[in-house]
Amino acid sequence: DGGITQSPKYLFRKEGQNVTLSCEQNLNHDAMYWYRQDPGQGLRLIYYSQIVNDFQKGDIAEGYSVSREKKESFPLTVTSAQKNPTAFYLCASSLRLAGDNEQFFGPGTRLTVL
Amino acid sequence: KQEVTQIPAALSVPEGENLVLNCSFTDSAIYNLQWFRQDPGKGLTSLLLIQSSQREQTSGRLNASLDKSSGRSTLYIAASQPGDSATYLCAVPGGGNKLTFGTGTQLKVEL
Repeated sequence: DGGITQSPKYLFRKEGQNVTLSCEQNLNHDAMYWYRQDPGQGLRLIYYSQIVNDFQKGDIAEGYSVSREKKESFPLTVTSAQKNPTAFYLCASSLRLAGDNEQFFGPGTRLTVL
Repeated sequence: KQEVTQIPAALSVPEGENLVLNCSFTDSAIYNLQWFRQDPGKGLTSLLLIQSSQREQTSGRLNASLDKSSGRSTLYIAASQPGDSATYLCAVPGGGNKLTFGTGTQLKVEL
């Protein structure tokens, strides 16, 4: 059953902590993306990766970091430098990093700062 | 910079009505346009992708049209059902396949 999985579904963070959100895909896609969704705003791109060991900053990368050690995995770390991390985080993938490629999304992780 | 607008922001209709959701974008140099559905607290489900060379795309009761020259797309839902209640998002890719999203139309179909 192909698709994108994200874990955990809910995550709580204390002030000053780093937390890591998991994203895994078995679609054999080269490109992967992380978006953030806030109420009343459209989704905004945090980071994206074209291929293993490559990633680029999106529009709101400050306070976040990523790695792409395996094709299937693209974890996102929310660091203590991110001032307002409470949001819904969505991971996506596409076959290639090209504008004609459809993106598929995971179920999301809701992060709350306590 | 690409901007995507969706009108209306919210819509409530009785079951069985045909309805139209609107999406407009400022930069017409796009490869395609995607329509997504999002249920509360869930991820995005891709509904339709219209390539720039196409004018329409259909899936079941859904029909999406694209007019690149005017920067508009519409999503037509026929014979709406309560199960269609969700937020509908449109998005267009920019450089590097980075999607720019509208803020969505929240649809409620009432019995």
